[in-house]
Amino acid sequence: AQSVTQLDSQVPVFEEAPVELRCNYSSSVSVYLFWYVQYPNQGLQLLLKYLSGSTLVKGINGFEAEFNKSQTSFHLRKPSVHISDTAEYFCAVSDNYGQNFVFGPGTRLSVLP
Amino acid sequence: EAQVTQNPRYLITVTGKKLTVTCSQNMNHEYMSWYRQDPGLGLRQIYYSMNVEVTDKGDVPEGYKVSRKEKRNFPLILESPSPNQTSLYFCASSPNGFQSGQNQPQHFGDGTRLSIL
Repeated sequence: AQSVTQLDSQVPVFEEAPVELRCNYSSSVSVYLFWYVQYPNQGLQLLLKYLSGSTLVKGINGFEAEFNKSQTSFHLRKPSVHISDTAEYFCAVSDNYGQNFVFGPGTRLSVLP
Repeated sequence: EAQVTQNPRYLITVTGKKLTVTCSQNMNHEYMSWYRQDPGLGLRQIYYSMNVEVTDKGDVPEGYKVSRKEKRNFPLILESPSPNQTSLYFCASSPNGFQSGQNQPQHFGDGTRLSIL
């Protein structure tokens, strides 16, 4: 069975500062990894995904994430955040059949002026 | 426009009164799933369906039923709702399986907020 840990439930950061949101996973099989963003009163939107290949994945809105198999991590980073990045961010893992999706508990990013 | 549509968006009801939340997608996706979102727990998968007439339990299926009679629709049924099913529910769809090379992510609906009194 897979599981996902997001150690930080809330991350406050000032505008234009860099940010890293942490994600660790556990799985006994090969996995695919995702980051989703949820703005208030909306569904989830995909930021980026890792399926195979390069371990550094670039996504939308200037976000990127790095897959580290030895540390079972998939941390999300952005070099300079904007007020509009304020949202909740979810890390997710699925097995390599794309069936069971397991989400982490989420990290609420608050960007302060 | 490609979308996943859930109805209703909001519902307040009482314990034991059967309800159905509908989900429809217009992208001809094989895979559909239901999640509930609770504070501090993220999204937990209730049921998923790989194709018409094929459904499987997710992590928290107790108290829920689903059906997949048509490709586009995947309703979530609460036969006898209880207060612990008060939550925010999301339906999602995607092309089936990554083995086929269809590496698209899940598309999510806007959510249904259920309150069971």
